[in-house]
Amino acid sequence: SYELTQPPSVSVSPGQTARITCSGDALPKKHAYWYQQKSGQAPVLVIYEDSKRPSGIPERFSGSSSGTMATLTISGAQVEDEADYYCYSTDSSGNHRVFGGGTKLTVL
Amino acid sequence: EVQLVESGGGLVQPGGSLRLSCAASGFTFSGFEMNWVRQAPGKGLEWVSCISSSGSTIYYADSVRGRFTLSRDNAKNSLYLQMNSLRADDTAVYYCVRKGPSEAFDIWGQGTMLTVSS
Repeated sequence: SYELTQPPSVSVSPGQTARITCSGDALPKKHAYWYQQKSGQAPVLVIYEDSKRPSGIPERFSGSSSGTMATLTISGAQVEDEADYYCYSTDSSGNHRVFGGGTKLTVL
Repeated sequence: EVQLVESGGGLVQPGGSLRLSCAASGFTFSGFEMNWVRQAPGKGLEWVSCISSSGSTIYYADSVRGRFTLSRDNAKNSLYLQMNSLRADDTAVYYCVRKGPSEAFDIWGQGTMLTVSS
């Protein structure tokens, strides 16, 4: 079965840049999507189609993808950005839909 | 307001059945693919199943195929997940999710909790 691999945790100080990676064999052909989930809340879309930002998402959130790796970058991370972040994509057929294991971002 | 509201969660014994429902409002339900995503306590997100806007195409995760059945009623703006042969590892919060125009999961419900335990 298809898998997306994320680091379990990333830690930065406020104002620093946080980078969360997501690797998957089909990412050269399929878009990556990123979701933020704060404790006790439903996930929220923060990046779609590798690098596009939905309305209402702060500009400090950006995404990129190269080869088999997608990256979520939070430039000037703030304390309120502390959350679990999940990447999402599909296998090359588009039929198997998968979330990465999630990355806990700590900003302190 | 665009909204998804799940219902039907609860406590079920192993081997039992339950049906989850999702009521959609604030958008043209029949125009969108719908999904269920679940999250076991303290764990990550797991995609469960999806159904095309017309209901003609349905996919399942390997972990639920053959036990869960997804359906929709566009006239009632509702999505249903029939869950049979439930196991302890099906215990999770189940989210009803819309796949939007950008192919992203853009609208999420607040979730309904299913606990499978004796």
